[in-house]
Amino acid sequence: QSALTQPASVSGSPGQSITISCTGSSSDVGSYNLVSWYQQHPGTAPKLMLYEVTKRPSGVSSRFSGSKSGNTASLTISGLQAEDEADYHCCSYGGFSTWVFGGGTKLTVL
Amino acid sequence: QVHLQESGPGLVKPSGTLSLTCAVSGGSISSTNWWTWVRQPPGKGLEWIGEIYQSGNSNYNPSLKSRVTMSVDKSRNQFSLRLSSVTAADTAVYYCASRPPLNWFDPWGQGTLVTVSS
Repeated sequence: QSALTQPASVSGSPGQSITISCTGSSSDVGSYNLVSWYQQHPGTAPKLMLYEVTKRPSGVSSRFSGSKSGNTASLTISGLQAEDEADYHCCSYGGFSTWVFGGGTKLTVL
Repeated sequence: QVHLQESGPGLVKPSGTLSLTCAVSGGSISSTNWWTWVRQPPGKGLEWIGEIYQSGNSNYNPSLKSRVTMSVDKSRNQFSLRLSSVTAADTAVYYCASRPPLNWFDPWGQGTLVTVSS
């Protein structure tokens, strides 16, 4: 079970859109629509932002959206705001009752 | 609304056993949720350690399975993690979380830092 691959960092200016990729394999991301995304500000616990690839929990801004193609899932944040600066982690069901996270991506709002 | 709170020693000696407890409030540990442990080494990503159901059924990360034991205490509405033969590589913030009978982790505890050092 290998960790999912995320870019170490991405950046964007306020108002712009950014996309964070999350690449797994045919054993995890590619086989299940069970990818979730978590936002983590420094020193705090992760917060659920998306689940089942595209679904948003109540209270999460519509600026956050998700997609998946093959073994890669993506998180897109549109209309970037200063408060979006945080670490983002993807997670996928890995089969055999296991779960696997990505290495995390640091988003910087310029 | 379910609230989770981790507790346990912040310092564990190498080759020792790390023991943490997660207290559940605002809900019952006998619900249909899976109770999960996730860790985050300093400056790194999250790692799923494993999960346990109210019945005692558990699933563990294959890479940690030989050293991990989880348990549920229904009388105290809490669940626990034990990780044996720890090394410096086990130094991390340990989070407990809830996984509904669906496919995400929410809510999370605030996390507790465990350092492995002599």
